[in-house]
Amino acid sequence: GENVGLHLPTLSVQEGDNSIINCAYSNSASDYFIWYKQESGKGPQFIIDIRSNMDKRQGQRVTVLLNKTVKHLSLQIAATQPGDSAVYFCAENIPGNQFYFGTGTSLTVIP
Amino acid sequence: GAVVSQHPSRVICKSGTSVKIECRSLDFQATTMFWYRQFPKQSLMLMATSNEGSKATYEQGVEKDKFLINHASLTLSTLTVTSAHPEDSSFYICSAPRQGRSNQPQHFGDGTRLSIL
Repeated sequence: GENVGLHLPTLSVQEGDNSIINCAYSNSASDYFIWYKQESGKGPQFIIDIRSNMDKRQGQRVTVLLNKTVKHLSLQIAATQPGDSAVYFCAENIPGNQFYFGTGTSLTVIP
Repeated sequence: GAVVSQHPSRVICKSGTSVKIECRSLDFQATTMFWYRQFPKQSLMLMATSNEGSKATYEQGVEKDKFLINHASLTLSTLTVTSAHPEDSSFYICSAPRQGRSNQPQHFGDGTRLSIL
């Protein structure tokens, strides 16, 4: 999750379309992952989590997919709404250690 | 409602001033809290882990004498930016894990925007 000096990639989607946000994590020992949403000027909010013994988990309008082979995580948002506009971060956790955050993706929903 | 409260939300002060930021867990005890720093359009960078009753653990490259952390009670951690300079201007965010374990989702405060003139 080291990302010093990187700027956020952006994604624009039309309202009602599905969004897919991707994240590559760095440590193969990470066994727990979380997606957070951060609105401007606020702290991150929990969206959904997944442990390494799963490859898919669904929530309300959101699905997280985990591919441990290539160390890749994705967040799918169904029927994206203007209120979904925010920055989305994945975070990885190694047992006994802290969470480290990915680069983040800025999602803009076009009405 | 918020379960982690961070105060103040915004600080503007002169160079050389020391600034204290508080992070409180509102309805749960937090033996561990985390402090992050975030520059505009960048991700959160973990600065240190605050441990109740013992010394904080700092990430590599973070000056412990510059960023003083005190976790004096089970619901309060403070970060003091000592002799702040313009390069310390940033968004500082704290978090505390649910259920007191680091491998659980964390509750985040709403951050403190620090501007040093």
